[in-house]
Amino acid sequence: GESVGLHLPTLSVQEGDNSIINCAYSNSASDYFIWYKQESGKGPQFIIDIRSNMDKRQGQRVTVLLNKTVKHLSLQIAATQPGDSAVYFCAETSAGGTSYGKLTFGQGTILTVHP
Amino acid sequence: GAGVSQSPSNKVTEKGKDVELRCDPISGHTALYWYRQSLGQGLEFLIYFQGNSAPDKSGLPSDRFSAERTGGSVSTLTIQRTQQEDSAVYLCASSYNLMETQYFGPGTRLLVL
Repeated sequence: GESVGLHLPTLSVQEGDNSIINCAYSNSASDYFIWYKQESGKGPQFIIDIRSNMDKRQGQRVTVLLNKTVKHLSLQIAATQPGDSAVYFCAETSAGGTSYGKLTFGQGTILTVHP
Repeated sequence: GAGVSQSPSNKVTEKGKDVELRCDPISGHTALYWYRQSLGQGLEFLIYFQGNSAPDKSGLPSDRFSAERTGGSVSTLTIQRTQQEDSAVYLCASSYNLMETQYFGPGTRLLVL
């Protein structure tokens, strides 16, 4: 079935570096994408989202880029801090058909930030 | 304001017992979702409610799983005759409407012995 996947399962960076986490999706009908951060023992925490009518959206220290042509999503974290260490998930859904309202999650990328 | 809350936070049960998991969504959120997170399967969708109605139950793993929502607020996920493969973290999320941002609770960690 349709799925969302990540290229890199782990990412290790130094504090202050910029981080880029990538995600590939396969459902061309997907029109809403979200990045979540999950710390150990906690539920996923919303970071930023983007809809398919946009290709870039910025938040505080985070930017999401969407390339619909190649079905690719990325999360950029500027000036990464140790508190950013967590598992990051991309998720997608579409407004039509049986996918409506259901989030399909990628496998997750473990981000480790070294002081 | 208060986020999504779930109870219990942890549950250990014996194989064959029934368990009931509870979710309190964010006040005013009409949509509520249940997901399951396990090591082997990642995060998988189980069921969603729009109001008290669950239009699609196809994500429930078996007929031992059921969910209900009353009064457009609290939801319970019931697992009958639990099996060891049911061990996972059960996550609840809510959103203002369908296709809006889903906010997750802390989850219930279920261990079936």
